[in-house]
Amino acid sequence: EAGVTQFPSHSVIEKGQTVTLRCDPISGHDNLYWYRRVMGKEIKFLLHFVKESKQDESGMPNNRFLAERTGGTYSTLKVQPAELEDSGVYFCASSQEPLPEQFFGPGTRLTVL
Amino acid sequence: SQQGEEDPQALSIQEGENATMNCSYKTSINNLQWYRQNSGRGLVHLILIRSNEREKHSGRLRVTLDTSKKSSSLLITASRAADTASYFCATAAFSGGSNYKLTFGKGTLLTVNP
Repeated sequence: EAGVTQFPSHSVIEKGQTVTLRCDPISGHDNLYWYRRVMGKEIKFLLHFVKESKQDESGMPNNRFLAERTGGTYSTLKVQPAELEDSGVYFCASSQEPLPEQFFGPGTRLTVL
Repeated sequence: SQQGEEDPQALSIQEGENATMNCSYKTSINNLQWYRQNSGRGLVHLILIRSNEREKHSGRLRVTLDTSKKSSSLLITASRAADTASYFCATAAFSGGSNYKLTFGKGTLLTVNP
């Protein structure tokens, strides 16, 4: 069974540009999470989808970040316009009730110059 | 508040030795999980311990949880060079619906020397 996949693995953009990250969860997993690790800091929760609905987006840093999960399958996280402090590794995870374990993707390393 | 704070930040041992990492947290939890991250790779789930459990084993891993002290420890026995990685504890507080969002610490970098 395929694990969580993320695309791209790396992205280097300039400040002010737009970037869209994609996450494909494990097939059948209703729960999809986005996390971010900024260099030297903890991995922090961004938001949680249950199917196509946003369950919790309390971790989204500001309105430059937009996450979608149309159809309840894959999810995208768009950053527009990107700022220097957005650089970091963005992780996606999925899980399926009733199990609380989350399965993480390899992450997308975003560098904003 | 900072949850899941690991100790030590870095640990270097010889192959065959045991490695112990500790984690402290601040608020009530539903469960605590340990993850491993090899350099440049994603997080791999290792083991989960629920708030009503005190100890759990999985292969060479042993996890303890002391909810009165809000702390957990991860013991890796008979370490191998392949165990070299960063280890994170993550606390999950059930926040309604099906939301088990995780709160991570900064991690412990374990180096196992051959």
